[in-house]
Amino acid sequence: QVHLVQSGTEMKKPGASVRVSCKASGYTFTGRYIHWVRQAPGQGLEWVGRIIPASGDTIYAQSLQGRVTMTSDTSISTGYMDLSRLTSDDSAIYYCATDGGHHDFDDWGQGTLVTVSS
Amino acid sequence: QSALTQPPSASGSPGQSVTISCTGTSSDVGPYNFVSWYQQHPGKAPKLIIYHVTKRPSGVPDRFSGSKSGNTASLTVSGLQAEDEADYYCSSFANSNTWVFGGGTKVTVL
Repeated sequence: QVHLVQSGTEMKKPGASVRVSCKASGYTFTGRYIHWVRQAPGQGLEWVGRIIPASGDTIYAQSLQGRVTMTSDTSISTGYMDLSRLTSDDSAIYYCATDGGHHDFDDWGQGTLVTVSS
Repeated sequence: QSALTQPPSASGSPGQSVTISCTGTSSDVGPYNFVSWYQQHPGKAPKLIIYHVTKRPSGVPDRFSGSKSGNTASLTVSGLQAEDEADYYCSSFANSNTWVFGGGTKVTVL
């Protein structure tokens, strides 16, 4: 059974950076893609980007290009999302989700609340 | 990448059916059969209920069904139950190996 456990709540000031982690278990880590999706308070879902842990290949949403970096550590089955130059518009719940090759988001982490405020 | 278009709300009485549309473009929904649907209850993470336009993951009731015509996909919930009250989001694979979501539809069971 796939299980994704994310890091805890973050509070950051504008201009700072944040790292969110996503520890996977219950499957072969290199056998699935990891996506990151965010949801601002009271808003809809927004795709942030995807990493292929087996190769390190990444692709990001155009709106976040240059500020987002996704990495993974296969030795500990963990994916990371770094977001820099934070503004209040980046305040959201950030989810990691796996993609087993169906171009969808099969299993989701519990979400990590990131609040950006001065 | 513009969001897919969904109606903001839909409703039905218990036992009735409700259909939610998801309109995209020739860059996302149209050319790919990679439309998926997600159910999200308040305070919870989204849950996959339909993938590849029409397929249901194991454990998802067959009351949930999906379809697609041209640039528009649809989710139908038949035999509405109280627990179906939630937000529903569509998503599609898109050109340039990206993904896009719809704005979400709040389903109310009257």
